[in-house]
Amino acid sequence: EAQVTQNPRYLITVTGKKLTVTCSQNMNHEYMSWYRQDPGLGLRQIYYSMNVEVTDKGDVPEGYKVSRKEKRNFPLILESPSPNQTSLYFCASSWQQGHSPLHFGNGTRLTVT
Amino acid sequence: AQKVTQAQTEISVVEKEDVTLDCVYETRDTTYYLFWYKQPPSGELVFLIRRNSFDEQNEISGRYSWNFQKSTSSFNFTITASQVVDSAVYFCALSEALTQGGSEKLVFGKGTKLTVNP
Repeated sequence: EAQVTQNPRYLITVTGKKLTVTCSQNMNHEYMSWYRQDPGLGLRQIYYSMNVEVTDKGDVPEGYKVSRKEKRNFPLILESPSPNQTSLYFCASSWQQGHSPLHFGNGTRLTVT
Repeated sequence: AQKVTQAQTEISVVEKEDVTLDCVYETRDTTYYLFWYKQPPSGELVFLIRRNSFDEQNEISGRYSWNFQKSTSSFNFTITASQVVDSAVYFCALSEALTQGGSEKLVFGKGTKLTVNP
């Protein structure tokens, strides 16, 4: 089944404790992206990747890192999480940036206390 | 810069009513793509439709229809005879074409929460 898999679905952590949210897709998509969803703000892009070893900042990259060592994986790293990073995170992939429909993971609800 | 406005934050209707979700966009590009996504209460995001700027034909898929009007920069979504299962947050999104100087970045509206009551 074609899908984008994110883990974990729920995560509660404390300020400053490094964490990684994994994302994997099995559709051989070149483009992958991370979004955060906050009430009243909709979906905002954090980072995206056009292909392996090619990543770039989205609208709200501060406090996040990503890597794209393999085509299928695009982990999101929070080196030192803070409470303002409490949010619902989505990973997405598509054939190409922009005009191809995005396939989303099921989301990761992160709480930083 | 590209922008998507969904002026309706929340809409509440009774089952079987028709409902239209508004989407107004801004872009300087002549080539662009418009999308609608659905986020049901379970939280996942589901692609509904894509339209490119050269195709102004309206689209109908079952109870769903989309009205794309370049003259008013709108891409509205209508649900006919709404059902409780239509309750969700609906997002409109826009991307420009890189070849014409656009960013190709997908920009989302803030979403419209639709509640269909039995």
